[in-house]
Amino acid sequence: NAGVTQTPKFQVLKTGQSMTLQCAQDMNHNSMYWYRQDPGMGLRLIYYSASEGTTDKGEVPNGYNVSRLNKREFSLRLESAAPSQTSVYFCASSGKTGVNTEAFFGQGTRLTVV
Amino acid sequence: AQSVSQHNHHVILSEAASLELGCNYSYGGTVNLFWYVQYPGQHLQLLLKYFSGDPLVKGIKGFEAEFIKSKFSFNLRKPSVQWSDTAEYFCAVNSKNTGFQKLVFGTGTRLLVSP
Repeated sequence: NAGVTQTPKFQVLKTGQSMTLQCAQDMNHNSMYWYRQDPGMGLRLIYYSASEGTTDKGEVPNGYNVSRLNKREFSLRLESAAPSQTSVYFCASSGKTGVNTEAFFGQGTRLTVV
Repeated sequence: AQSVSQHNHHVILSEAASLELGCNYSYGGTVNLFWYVQYPGQHLQLLLKYFSGDPLVKGIKGFEAEFIKSKFSFNLRKPSVQWSDTAEYFCAVNSKNTGFQKLVFGTGTRLLVSP
């Protein structure tokens, strides 16, 4: 059972380049999330998708866009990467709204913008 | 807005010492509470969770946490830590209200256990 799968695991970008982080879950979860993790700041929510067809901004959405391609997949796009976006990015998913459930995390993508 | 505070940012213990990591949250309604652990170089894994019922929750690897509603706290404990417990620990909260509820994390506590 793969759970939440993220690709790539590592990426180095030059300032101004674009890229898309991919995330897929095989647990039939409705909700999916993108977080970034920075030292001393914990995990901060970038965007989330409560259910297929909907996306909403989290705490730190600037410089990012997302697409909920279908129930399984939720991608995060950096249109013009900046050094401030150097971080570790985690995708997560959780079960149906209103049901007590925890979030399951992917392995993370370590992104460096130079 | 919901927020989660973890007051200990770094903790250093010797093996066999007892551990208590603090977690306080601010939210007026009823909540679900979680502790996640992140071992070096790995992703977050659920350590334990509280949804309702007995406020003393037991998780994996000998960890437990106690929900004290009057103090808005959910502290993590382990009677005797091992070197393999070296990791970063995150407390998280979401609301039980209807509709979509985001999971909010604390800033984490980095635990180093020396052999």
